[in-house]
Amino acid sequence: HSALTQPRSVSGSPGQSVTISCTGAGNNIGSYDFVSWYQQISGKAPRLIIYDVYKWPSGVPPRFSGSKSGNTASLTISGLQSEDEAVYYCCSYEAPNTLVFGGGTKVTVL
Amino acid sequence: EVHLLESGGTLVQPGKSLRLSCATSGFLFSSHAMSWVRQAPGQGLEWVATITGTGTFKYYADSVRGRFSVSRDNSRSTLFLQMNSLSVEDTAIYYCTRDESQSASDQPPPGSWGQGTLVTVSS
Repeated sequence: HSALTQPRSVSGSPGQSVTISCTGAGNNIGSYDFVSWYQQISGKAPRLIIYDVYKWPSGVPPRFSGSKSGNTASLTISGLQSEDEAVYYCCSYEAPNTLVFGGGTKVTVL
Repeated sequence: EVHLLESGGTLVQPGKSLRLSCATSGFLFSSHAMSWVRQAPGQGLEWVATITGTGTFKYYADSVRGRFSVSRDNSRSTLFLQMNSLSVEDTAIYYCTRDESQSASDQPPPGSWGQGTLVTVSS
């Protein structure tokens, strides 16, 4: 049981946009703008693609965008590409001094 | 370039102890909080522990508090995780991570990740 809830899978065709939701609670996403997103390609270590809800680490393309409303954060991948096929995890700060992850969403490029 | 290299993962019996290490390079180690994140086989990510840059503050997930201890040697740019009273539920790949220092959070999320080291707890 994960503290943050994500859909198990989403899919889209190349060039389309897909959005992944991440639902938490008032003591994590609802109270802090410290949501991050990770991409994990099969067999690889996770890679940070969004932090503090919408900020990009160096080298991450702007096709990845993040947002938040209430207790739910979202990751949108625009212009879907084959190399975007991976599992995506959300993560949030939760007081006191804890990080909680979502269960992961498998993105399939059709 | 940030480089994180975990070591120490192995097969260990339930109830035993194990110490993981993470050798780092490419950044000023003492200026960054470091964390361990684990991933059970075929499962999602689970935050395990965080230690601040000076080592003054340490934070743990409920699932490991009292059994695991995170530490660091800033003179050797190395992070450690001492794991005691291991159970089969601790079987996972353990990732060493460096904080995303650009975050405004007092506890920044993991930014850079190592490749992980596999800990298998089994009799």
